[in-house]
Amino acid sequence: QKEVEQNSGPLSVPEGAIASLNCTYSDRVSQSFFWYRQYSGKSPELIMSIYSNGDKEDGRFTAQLNKASQYVSLLIRDSQPSDSATYLCAVGSGSARQLTFGSGTQLTVLP
Amino acid sequence: KAGVTQTPRYLIKTRGQQVTLSCSPISGHRSVSWYQQTPGQGLQFLFEYFSETQRNKGNFPGRFSGRQFSNSRSEMNVSTLELGDSALYLCASSLEAALRRGNNEQFFGPGTRLTVL
Repeated sequence: QKEVEQNSGPLSVPEGAIASLNCTYSDRVSQSFFWYRQYSGKSPELIMSIYSNGDKEDGRFTAQLNKASQYVSLLIRDSQPSDSATYLCAVGSGSARQLTFGSGTQLTVLP
Repeated sequence: KAGVTQTPRYLIKTRGQQVTLSCSPISGHRSVSWYQQTPGQGLQFLFEYFSETQRNKGNFPGRFSGRQFSNSRSEMNVSTLELGDSALYLCASSLEAALRRGNNEQFFGPGTRLTVL
């Protein structure tokens, strides 16, 4: 049973701070890792993908992957109230397009 | 480029009925995946289609089925609806690319909110 675990939160940070979201996965052959943002009542929106160990930066977002520790994280710098949403970690294994999702971390950025 | 579209956006059905949901992927995307999202179970994979063939299937009963057409549009069908089928049904599309190139990103449509009474 492939599992993806996230801190359920909720997580609150002040505006301008760094928000740190964490995710662990159980399937060692996992090859693709994604972070989605989901606003209440909306569908998930892809914000980051990462496939290799290390860091990947895109604007205020940085994804970090450590396959040895089976750990992936998302850092949001200079957090804004508009970042308030549920963040979903998703993991893909092998050649399948099937993604396994964590339960999500609800982030609130306080003005 | 237009995103993934899903119709209808909202549906209300009664137990025992059946329902068909439709998904049009992003232009050029050939893989379509379906997911069910509920407050209790989160996002769960239903099945994935490519070139009109089901390549992967999640752990759902046979009442859940789908198909893909030659233009990559996809439909999913749920027969003999149960109260527990009330959920947001999401379709996601992706390019068919070699996994080693890492292009495995899936983009979600707005979803169809199904309520079973």
